[in-house]
Amino acid sequence: DVKVTQSSRYLVKRTGEKVFLECVQDMDHENMFWYRQDPGLGLRLIYFSYDVKMKEKGDIPEGYSVSREKKERFSLILESASTNQTSMYLCASSPPRAVSYEQYFGPGTRLTVT
Amino acid sequence: QKEVEQNSGPLSVPEGAIASLNCTYSDRVSQSFFWYRQYSGKSPELIMSIYSNGDKEDGRFTAQLNKASQYVSLLIRDSQPSDSATYLCAVGTLGGSYIPTFGRGTSLIVHP
Repeated sequence: DVKVTQSSRYLVKRTGEKVFLECVQDMDHENMFWYRQDPGLGLRLIYFSYDVKMKEKGDIPEGYSVSREKKERFSLILESASTNQTSMYLCASSPPRAVSYEQYFGPGTRLTVT
Repeated sequence: QKEVEQNSGPLSVPEGAIASLNCTYSDRVSQSFFWYRQYSGKSPELIMSIYSNGDKEDGRFTAQLNKASQYVSLLIRDSQPSDSATYLCAVGTLGGSYIPTFGRGTSLIVHP
């Protein structure tokens, strides 16, 4: 079974703090994704990566950056947390695009910025 | 812009009934279709994938795909209260971006 883990289930940070969210997958997937999910807005893609050291902006990259130094690990960074970044953050991974688009999600991190 | 539409619900069905969840998509060349189940406060879990027209059955779940009508559905037979969740439809296009487009989900409530 594919396993995607995230570093924290719940996180509370103060405005202006730098926040790191980590995601690790154990299925040797090329593609990894960061989403946020808010009530009524559905899943919104922040960043994705299709290879080590590669990254692409999603639909809402502002205020975020990412890092992928190893294939299995994809980190999301909030450079200076703001209250409007309070949300559920979901990491996902998927096999190469020639195979499938199935995405497998981690358990999520519920971030509260006060 | 690719769109995936779902009725937000809630869809309320009695225990033991068939729940029917529907999804329409705008991109005619879409080839991969997925259903995810998401319990409140949890992350989405992939429950069904379908790639060809027709029906695909897995236990109490049946996915139905009609590419001509750009329509995919999920039937849940013998619905149980534990099926109460939000169901997300996702659609992908092979050869294009490898990022599926997600619908906003339909909330299903199965009442005893």
